Amino acid sequence: DTAVSQTPKYLVTQMGNDKSIKCEQNLGHDTMYWYKQDSKKFLKIMFSYNNKELIINETVPNRFSPKSPDKAHLNLHINSLELGDSAVYFCASSDSPAATDTQYFGPGTRLTVL
Amino acid sequence: TQLLEQSPQFLSIQEGENLTVYCNSSSVFSSLQWYRQEPGEGPVLLVTVVTGGEVKKLKRLTFQFGDARKDSSLHITAAQPGDTGLYLCAGGNDYKLSFGAGTTVTVRA
Repeated sequence: DTAVSQTPKYLVTQMGNDKSIKCEQNLGHDTMYWYKQDSKKFLKIMFSYNNKELIINETVPNRFSPKSPDKAHLNLHINSLELGDSAVYFCASSDSPAATDTQYFGPGTRLTVL
Repeated sequence: TQLLEQSPQFLSIQEGENLTVYCNSSSVFSSLQWYRQEPGEGPVLLVTVVTGGEVKKLKRLTFQFGDARKDSSLHITAAQPGDTGLYLCAGGNDYKLSFGAGTTVTVRA
């Protein structure tokens, strides 16, 4: 009965490849997020969706494209992977987009670009 | 440029000691959250504070939001090995959370 799940847990790939990370939440939340955590543990918002609509898009290269087929899913597709994309990517969800709401994080996907 | 600065970056103490972690910003936030993250897992919310000067206590953890809503502190009394983890503060405005770089706390048995 995992609340926020991500697949895969680990992803190792070559520069230039295209890859996707999937996220699903079973909490009935309206809002979902993607965060990037770098090697220094700095966690930065990339995107947020509310009811499948994009509400935050933080100066992320357009090689990153989120897709929300329904409220329970928010997938992240990355084109032409670069070395600097190596990081841990976290999906999260919350009841509403208000910053005071609790965000529930998934276990993370560690992406390594060689 | 990070909006929130956390100090110290690393903290190692003996079981039973007290510790304080600080979170400072030049920006005003409408809310401030503290999360704890363990290795290989996502952050988990500890507390949300929304009023300047607010103090919240959760068992051995005490959280304070500065009067001007620009800073916060987390104090742990009689730390235990289970308190070990990465502590992240996050300032909230409208729909966005801005995270600090975190404080890695290690409590030695």
